Amino acid sequence: DTEVTQTPKHLVMGMTNKKSLKCEQHMGHRAMYWYKQKAKKPPELMFVYSYEKLSINESVPSRFSPECPNSSLLNLHLHALQPEDSALYLCASSHRTGGGTDTQYFGPGTRLTVL
Amino acid sequence: TQLLEQSPQFLSIQEGENLTVYCNSSSVFSSLQWYRQEPGEGPVLLVTVVTGGEVKKLKRLTFQFGDARKDSSLHITAAQPGDTGLYLCAGRYGGATNKLIFGTGTLLAVQP
Repeated sequence: DTEVTQTPKHLVMGMTNKKSLKCEQHMGHRAMYWYKQKAKKPPELMFVYSYEKLSINESVPSRFSPECPNSSLLNLHLHALQPEDSALYLCASSHRTGGGTDTQYFGPGTRLTVL
Repeated sequence: TQLLEQSPQFLSIQEGENLTVYCNSSSVFSSLQWYRQEPGEGPVLLVTVVTGGEVKKLKRLTFQFGDARKDSSLHITAAQPGDTGLYLCAGRYGGATNKLIFGTGTLLAVQP
């Protein structure tokens, strides 16, 4: 089983709303990632969690707040977003960070629209 | 800075034609992955190549990793409309981080 699930599938929010994106995997992976993807462009890394600790923050604005409650779950809390934050948000997981030929498996994404 | 260049950027072909997508870099990668992504969906892993010169086949898809592990190619034989999508290569440096460097992407449309 190489499934990463994400909810919701679609989200529309206003600039004053607070919402959360959720990601779950049950593959025993200890590394989880958030990416942002604009149409027809490659994914851009936002955050990396390794063993439930934030290991990489790619200078993401503070209106995006990641959280890793346990090894299977990854959340992305959203607050005071801008219309330009509208994108497909992808979650991924891998066995671990570093070493070997670790492969990242992606979820189906959450299509976010900020009005 | 985009370190992985893919070519072509866009490709529209007829069903049954063959095509090759290239992924080039000046950096050496410990491994390279190819993904296919359909609109509104997440990237789906096609293959991981690790050894310089390695060739892997997946039905009508043939993947090659360059001898120096700086480049890769994806060849599709007898393309079908179901092959339509965004093809992404992604390189990994290895070491203490699993950060993927994504290529610029190739958008393929196969017309019936």
